[in-house]
Amino acid sequence: GAVVSQHPSWVICKSGTSVKIECRSLDFQATTMFWYRQFPKQSLMLMATSNEGSKATYEQGVEKDKFLINHASLTLSTLTVTSAHPEDSSFYICSARDLPSGRDEQFFGPGTRLTVL
Amino acid sequence: RKEVEQDPGPFNVPEGATVAFNCTYSNSASQSFFWYRQDCRKEPKLLMSVYSSGNEDGRFTAQLNRASQYISLLIRDSKLSDSATYLCVVWRGDYKLSFGAGTTVTVRA
Repeated sequence: GAVVSQHPSWVICKSGTSVKIECRSLDFQATTMFWYRQFPKQSLMLMATSNEGSKATYEQGVEKDKFLINHASLTLSTLTVTSAHPEDSSFYICSARDLPSGRDEQFFGPGTRLTVL
Repeated sequence: RKEVEQDPGPFNVPEGATVAFNCTYSNSASQSFFWYRQDCRKEPKLLMSVYSSGNEDGRFTAQLNRASQYISLLIRDSKLSDSATYLCVVWRGDYKLSFGAGTTVTVRA
């Protein structure tokens, strides 16, 4: 199957700092990527849809100025958590569709575990 | 009401047993359904899609009941490696997915 990578796999930062997470599709082009957040024992919650070459669309309740998304190329989307606070500590996962293949399947990155002290 | 609801379990079963669990969804217009598997601290991985007529993939059988708006997953001849959290996923449209919180299955030797 298609491969999606994320970097870093885990990060610990101080409250008030910004953290950038990268999501890459390694062997296919992804015009659309999705960013999810998962708190312990809870479901993955879609935060935003990242569109190559245009603005991301955010789900209700997700602050676009706090979670900056950039999808500058067909293989890379970045999520920047600005002025992170302890309540932002979570597991952030991206996914991408292998559009040219025509398959409905979304491929998930391995996730980034963020801990804000 | 949550879009997708699952019994969190855990379902503790011996090797070789059969285990089955359901999930319910709220949007009657939902068209596509999936079961994903998530191991601890890892990303979800597609286990199988769920088709209207029901489908089987080896030891795994998925069923869809549109009238009652639920999906089921049955695992036969459980293996230790089946221990995981199983996520019920519904396609909201526009390729957006809604996830259940997962059902934890633990297979013991």
